[in-house]
Amino acid sequence: GNSVTQMEGPVTLSEEAFLTINCTYTATGYPSLFWYVQYPGEGLQLLLKATKADDKGSNKGFEATYRKETTSFHLEKGSVQVSDSAVYFCALPSYNTDKLIFGTGTRLQVFP
Amino acid sequence: DAGVIQSPRHEVTEMGQEVTLRCKPISGHNSLFWYRQTMMRGLELLIYFNNNVPIDDSGMPEDRFSAKMPNASFSTLKIQPSEPRDSAVYFCASSLSGSADTQYFGPGTRLTVL
Repeated sequence: GNSVTQMEGPVTLSEEAFLTINCTYTATGYPSLFWYVQYPGEGLQLLLKATKADDKGSNKGFEATYRKETTSFHLEKGSVQVSDSAVYFCALPSYNTDKLIFGTGTRLQVFP
Repeated sequence: DAGVIQSPRHEVTEMGQEVTLRCKPISGHNSLFWYRQTMMRGLELLIYFNNNVPIDDSGMPEDRFSAKMPNASFSTLKIQPSEPRDSAVYFCASSLSGSADTQYFGPGTRLTVL
């Protein structure tokens, strides 16, 4: 079945540093891929998504490119802010269902 | 637009008591999901509904847990009797079905069972 693996955290960065959070997937076909973010004390919210191979999703300065050659969907941001401190989840649909399969989450801590 | 609404936001109860968590999905969404999140186990899908019908309840931990969706705008997750190991944050999410579309999460209910 479909699955996703993302890098362990926590990731600790100084403000304005470059961020990469790795995510790789295994899937039947080419499903949509998602990054969700969870700020402290809140529910998950969609950060960005890509619906087909080679698509780039972007939002709030974050980007991720759907790469079928490497089965990856890595999250990047050129200059992180303290307000980006959160847990980030990579996700994709379970095959032929409405369920989303979430990665284990990567905690990002940004210090001034 | 109102997002997914959950109540209560916080619940503290004693072991053995019945707990009912409530969710109102986004209007027009026809898939609804209940998740549990803990530090130890991360985010777990408990059950999901499509058009008010339970489709997959394989994540429900045991018979003490039950979920209903009597209509398109309301769902409950009940734990009876509750145990300390049920302490967690419970999230409800909704989406448009048919394409594993974006799920919209509620703010969660933080349950503490003493």
